[in-house]
Amino acid sequence: GDSVTQMEGPVTLSEEAFLTINCTYTATGYPSLFWYVQYPGEGLQLLLKATKADDKGSNKGFEATYRKETTSFHLEKGSVQVSDSAVYFCALSENSGGGADGLTFGKGTHLIIQP
Amino acid sequence: GAVVSQHPSWVICKSGTSVKIECRSLDFQATTMFWYRQFPKQSLMLMATSNEGSKATYEQGVEKDKFLINHASLTLSTLTVTSAHPEDSSFYICSAPRVGRGNTIYFGEGSWLTVV
Repeated sequence: GDSVTQMEGPVTLSEEAFLTINCTYTATGYPSLFWYVQYPGEGLQLLLKATKADDKGSNKGFEATYRKETTSFHLEKGSVQVSDSAVYFCALSENSGGGADGLTFGKGTHLIIQP
Repeated sequence: GAVVSQHPSWVICKSGTSVKIECRSLDFQATTMFWYRQFPKQSLMLMATSNEGSKATYEQGVEKDKFLINHASLTLSTLTVTSAHPEDSSFYICSAPRVGRGNTIYFGEGSWLTVV
């Protein structure tokens, strides 16, 4: 079956540091890939997504590129802020928009940014 | 503001009792909603797909008689944990896809269930 593996946290960085959170996946077809973020006390929010190989999703300074050859979708940000502290989930869907099927999630990576 | 709302956020119940968790789509209609469960340091695991006007579809290993799902309207799905036991203590979260706007999936805030 489908699965998502992401680096375990917590990941602790100083403000303005470069961020990478690794995510790799296994899937039977050609999935869509997502990064969700969960701020303390809130629900999951879609951060970015990519629906086909070589697509780059970006939002709020975060980027991730759909790499089919390495089955990866690593999340990056050039300069993190304290407000980026949250739990980040990598996910996939065999459905292009995730509309008809549930998502398969990684375990989540807790990111802590220190001032 | 929230697009999908879940209630309650926190609930503590006694072993053997039943608990109902609601999931509402606030400004769109959702014919499908999803229920997930997350144990500490584990992934969110899909439990079931809630279908408006028909029976829910359960993932393998999820007891449908224990986790009752009702999707009686286009904006409300409920998950009832029946005869709860301490091992049912977990984080439950729902999601609803909003078809038409990039097919964005919105999540509720989640519900922490503790069974004592």
